[in-house]
Amino acid sequence: DGGITQSPKYLFRKEGQNVTLSCEQNLNHDAMYWYRQDPGQGLRLIYYSQIVNDFQKGDIAEGYSVSREKKESFPLTVTSAQKNPTAFYLCASSIASLNEQFFGPGTRLTVL
Amino acid sequence: KNEVEQSPQNLTAQEGEFITINCSYSVGISALHWLQQHPGGGIVSLFMLSSGKKKHGRLIATINIQEKHSSLHITASHPRDSAVYICAVRLTGNQFYFGTGTSLTVIP
Repeated sequence: DGGITQSPKYLFRKEGQNVTLSCEQNLNHDAMYWYRQDPGQGLRLIYYSQIVNDFQKGDIAEGYSVSREKKESFPLTVTSAQKNPTAFYLCASSIASLNEQFFGPGTRLTVL
Repeated sequence: KNEVEQSPQNLTAQEGEFITINCSYSVGISALHWLQQHPGGGIVSLFMLSSGKKKHGRLIATINIQEKHSSLHITASHPRDSAVYICAVRLTGNQFYFGTGTSLTVIP
């Protein structure tokens, strides 16, 4: 089955700790995205990558980092510099940049 | 400032009713994306369109580029249609901008 997987589904972190969220796709898509969703707000773009070994900041990149070493994988690290990391994080991919996006199931991060 | 506005924010309907969800945007776009988010959080792509109308099963999406407006219609609504419906617009540049969603509840 082709699709996008994210792990873990729920993640708890202590303040001051870095944490990495996994995103893997087997759709052979070139473009991948990370979004953050907060209650009452639309999805906001954190980072996106149009091709392997390349990525760009979105609107809210501060306190986050990414890598794109393989086409299938686009992990997101939430660093201790992110002031308010508790949120629902969604990964998406598309055949090419700005085409129809397909989403993973999401990771809910809670900082204790 | 939000480039995308959706209405209504919340909608409750009886099973079988015809439903319309609206999306308005303030700038020129190249495409518009309708998405469905289930209670568990997963998001499913419904339509992506840049003009005219698209239909899939009981769902119909229309867009009027001149009026900067799109509608998502659900015919013969069913409780399993209960979800949050999200509109996203593709501006120039490399990203989409998302509305805050319309929460739909269909009562049996």
